[in-house]
Amino acid sequence: DTGVSQNPRHKITKRGQNVTFRCDPISEHNRLYWYRQTLGQGPEFLTYFQNEAQLEKSRLLSDRFSAERPKGSFSTLEIQRTEQGDSAMYLCASSDPGEFAGRDTEAFFGQGTRLTVV
Amino acid sequence: DAKTTQPTSMDCAEGRAANLPCNHSTISGNEYVYWYRQIHSQGPQYIIHGLKNNETNEMASLIITEDRKSSTLILPHATLRDTAVYYCIVTSGTYKYIFGTGTRLKVLA
Repeated sequence: DTGVSQNPRHKITKRGQNVTFRCDPISEHNRLYWYRQTLGQGPEFLTYFQNEAQLEKSRLLSDRFSAERPKGSFSTLEIQRTEQGDSAMYLCASSDPGEFAGRDTEAFFGQGTRLTVV
Repeated sequence: DAKTTQPTSMDCAEGRAANLPCNHSTISGNEYVYWYRQIHSQGPQYIIHGLKNNETNEMASLIITEDRKSSTLILPHATLRDTAVYYCIVTSGTYKYIFGTGTRLKVLA
C-alpha cells in the first residue's frame, strides 16, 4: 500500500494521559501536514513540515501539542495531559511540490486517528 | 485563501448526474479550485482540481465559470458509494487547505 498510513486508527485515553500518533507519508512526498477534525466540521490545519523542518503551526496547536518529523520521513503528533476537548479525528496528509513553482500538487490524506478522551 | 460557500446538503437519484455548486467570489488570479470528498469516518479523498479551464478525470468533471467566481463539480452517474461530504477548497497552492463544512450529498436508490 503506497498511501498515507496512520497508527493507531483509534485511541481511547483517560484525561490527563499523554498520547502519541504516528503518520507514515507517501514515500516520495517531502511535505507533511496534520489536521484535526471534530464532529460535523471540516478538517482544521494544525501544522506543516517540509522535510524535517516544521514550517508553520496553527494557533490551535497549544503548548500541550508537539509534532516531529525526524529525518524527514514519518511524523509523530504527541498530546500531553489530554483534555476532553482534544477528542477528535487527527488526520495526516502528504504532498510533493508540483512541477510549477509555487504550486503544490494535491495532498493525500490518511484514514486518521480517532482520539476519545474520557 | 479565498472563502468558499457551498449548500449544506443535496440529494441525487442513483444513476443521475450530481451537480455540486461552489461560490468563491473573492478568488484571486493564482488560486486553484480543489475538490475533496469524505466518506463517513474516512480521510478526505482528492477528486479533482483546476485553475480556469474545465477539467475531467475518471471520477468527475469540474466546470469553472469564466469569471472564476464559481464552479460546479459534476459526478456524471452517481452511485450509492458517492454518498459523502464534498469540500470545495480554493488555494494558491500553499500547504494549508481551509475546509468549510462542505456539502453533504446523499445518493438515493
